[in-house]
Amino acid sequence: EAGVAQSPRYKIIEKRQSVAFWCNPISGHATLYWYQQILGQGPKLLIQFQNNGVVDDSQLPKDRFSAERLKGVDSTLKIQPAKLEDSAVYLCASSPSGYPGADTYGYTFGSGTRLTVV
Amino acid sequence: AQSVSQHNHHVILSEAASLELGCNYSYGGTVNLFWYVQYPGQHLQLLLKYFSGDPLVKGIKGFEAEFIKSKFSFNLRKPSVQWSDTAEYFCAVVNNAGNMLTFGGGTRLMVKP
Repeated sequence: EAGVAQSPRYKIIEKRQSVAFWCNPISGHATLYWYQQILGQGPKLLIQFQNNGVVDDSQLPKDRFSAERLKGVDSTLKIQPAKLEDSAVYLCASSPSGYPGADTYGYTFGSGTRLTVV
Repeated sequence: AQSVSQHNHHVILSEAASLELGCNYSYGGTVNLFWYVQYPGQHLQLLLKYFSGDPLVKGIKGFEAEFIKSKFSFNLRKPSVQWSDTAEYFCAVVNNAGNMLTFGGGTRLMVKP
């Protein structure tokens, strides 16, 4: 099966600019996650979708970050305006179902988008 | 809230040396545990996972991990490392109350040829 697709692979922007990342999960996967991985740290969950609804966005900086998953398939993550500390790799992952404890078999990660804010 | 600690941030070994990477988690209930690997320039890949049953789990590429519930640990081991094992290793946990992976900070392993 095809993997999780993300674009772009790399992005360099100036601070205060806006940027958007795109994710296409594995076909049929109901749950989609966005993680932020700062250099030297483990991935940190930003937001979790089940179909097109938000399950958890408690760690999303909502003053500047937004995400949507229209029609329960593709998702976009936006940062506006960007800050220097947003430099990181943004990872998208998907898993088959949205039931608690049932997705533990199927987390698949994309290759990520590396964002550099200068 | 659940959390994961990986105490070794950087490990340097020579080829054929044995490897053990520590992982401790904090959560009082039932958990599922994972080790992921990230090779240079590549995406996160699942090495192995523990859900239930035998606490000694075998994964790909000769890796294994042992779940010790009393110690809240899930250490990763490999008897003899290769240069190709150079990568960053992440321990992760998900509890049965949700399906959200929480990662540790990672251990960067360098294997010298």
